[in-house]
Amino acid sequence: EAQVTQNPRYLITVTGKKLTVTCSQNMNHEYMSWYRQDPGLGLRQIYYSMNVEVTDKGDVPEGYKVSRKEKRNFPLILESPSPNQTSLYFCASSFRAGPARMDTEAFFGQGTRLTVV
Amino acid sequence: RKEVEQDPGPFNVPEGATVAFNCTYSNSASQSFFWYRQDCRKEPKLLMSVYSSGNEDGRFTAQLNRASQYISLLIRDSKLSDSATYLCVVQGTGGFKTIFGAGTRLFVKA
Repeated sequence: EAQVTQNPRYLITVTGKKLTVTCSQNMNHEYMSWYRQDPGLGLRQIYYSMNVEVTDKGDVPEGYKVSRKEKRNFPLILESPSPNQTSLYFCASSFRAGPARMDTEAFFGQGTRLTVV
Repeated sequence: RKEVEQDPGPFNVPEGATVAFNCTYSNSASQSFFWYRQDCRKEPKLLMSVYSSGNEDGRFTAQLNRASQYISLLIRDSKLSDSATYLCVVQGTGGFKTIFGAGTRLFVKA
């Protein structure tokens, strides 16, 4: 089954304790992206990756790191989480990005609800 | 000003009604446009892409007006199952940076 898998689904952690949220897709997609969703603000792009070893900042990259060592995996790293990073996080992948057409549909993981206390 | 703006709603409509959502974007260089649907904090799912000539998929019609920089979604004959949040999505030049609107909440009532 084609899917994007995020882990964990729920996480409560303390300020300053490094954490990693994993994202894996089995569709051989080139493009992957991380978003956070907060009430009233919608989804905001944190980082994206066009392919292996190619990443770039989205709108809200501060406090986050990513890596793309393999095509299927795109982990999100919070080196020193703070309470303002409490949010719902989504990973997404698509075959490519570009002009609207069938193969640019983004498939999302089920989300990770993170609470930093 | 937000890069992508939507009326947050909520829109409360009876079954069978026609409802229209608008979305405006600020970057005239934007190239790709989509409508996604999100159910109750679940993951967003693609509803339809929006093409320059406008496009239709069953009860759903999407339009793009580049001159005025807005996108619309029309839902005809609303069903209870259409109740969700509808997200307007814009991709910039090169298609990599993706901006989501905050979403418009729709409630369809029997």
